This record gives sequence, C-alpha cells and structure tokens, in this order.
Amino acid sequence: GENVEQHPSTLSVQEGDSAVIKCTYSDSASNYFPWYKQELGKRPQLIIDIRSNVGEKKDQRIAVTLNKTAKHFSLHITETQPEDSAVYFCAAKGRGASGGSYIPTFGRGTSLIVHP
Amino acid sequence: DAMVIQNPRYQVTQFGKPVTLSCSQTLNHNVMYWYQQKSSQAPKLLFHYYDKDFNNEADTPDNFQSRRPNTSFCFLDIRSPGLGDAAMYLCATSRDYGVGQFFGPGTRLTVL
Repeated sequence: GENVEQHPSTLSVQEGDSAVIKCTYSDSASNYFPWYKQELGKRPQLIIDIRSNVGEKKDQRIAVTLNKTAKHFSLHITETQPEDSAVYFCAAKGRGASGGSYIPTFGRGTSLIVHP
Repeated sequence: DAMVIQNPRYQVTQFGKPVTLSCSQTLNHNVMYWYQQKSSQAPKLLFHYYDKDFNNEADTPDNFQSRRPNTSFCFLDIRSPGLGDAAMYLCATSRDYGVGQFFGPGTRLTVL
C-alpha cells in the first residue's frame, strides 16, 4: 500500500513568518493529495488539495506544490497567524492495505505553533 | 447545517462491554469511512463502505465491525472493548474516491 512520510513533526514559527510542511509518498500511481487541518479537540478539515496533473495550487495564504518525479508535495503557509496553530495532515490517495480500492493514506501530522 | 453527525460525542464503557457508535450524513455521499485516532497520531483507517460494499483494512482487529443499513447511516461496533481501544473515533464521508473527505466531530471512547 501507499506510504506517506511527513516532516517536520513539530514546527514553531513567529507570527508573520512562513511555514513549510513536506510530505513524500511511495505509490507512483497516487494522483490526489489533500491537506487537512485539525485544531485541538476538533475534527480534521480539508484546507486544500492538489491533483497530479497540476504542479501548484494556491488559495490566499495557503499553497501546495507537487513534484511527481520526486514523489513529494509541500504545504506553504505565508504570513502565519496564531489561528493557524493546529496539526496539519497530508494525505495521498493510494491503495489501501487490503490492496483494493484507492483510499487516502495520512501522514503522521505536523504540529504547527505560531507565536504571537 | 451539520453534514456529518456522530453520536454520542463521548462514550464511556467497561472493559469487555460491547459498544456501538453511530454516524449519519446529510451529504448523500457514496463513501463512508471509520477512523481511529489516538493522541498525537494520524487517523488510522479501520474500514470503509462504498455504497454497500464493505472494505476492511488488513490490520483492523476482528473486534471491530461495521454496518451500513442505508446511505445515510453507518455504525461502528466494538464487540469487546479493551483498554487499548480508548481513542477518538472519526467518521468521514466523501462523494467518491479521490476527492476530499468530510469528517464528523468524533466520538471520544473511554474504556474503564
């Protein structure tokens, strides 16, 4: 099945700085890469996603880049604010452990702390 | 406006006492997922349904079962909860494979 590695596990930045979270995946057939934000005690929420036919996607202060050759993708947050503090999960759509349908595999998560 | 609803939000059970968690959705999505999330870890997929087709993850213990009686509802049954099953259980839906998932608020399970 798909294997997703996510780094760093913890990221601490000052308000206004940029934050970058990186993920690598193993299944070259994966073609969908969502990012989720999970605030403390809340549900994960989709914040941005990218498909394999696109190299970059941007939504206000958030952008995602994809390098299919290297099998890695990154989340970029500019002008960080304290409310960006949360755990961020990347995911890649690959085969599940059962070998059947294509389902997303999550990275381990990055705890982003934005200091005011 | 709630799109994915989970009940109860908090469940306390005793070691070995069966428990059922429920999930309902108003999105009419084809796919429903159950995840287990422990503190500071990523959600771990237990199984999912595409319509009525059940898909179990290879490493999901037999202690965990699921039912989807109709499009809107999905249940997670834990037949004999152990201390290690204490976790947040998240239900999610998606219209199809390869699109974003909507997560419910989760059920926090405590096993005494």
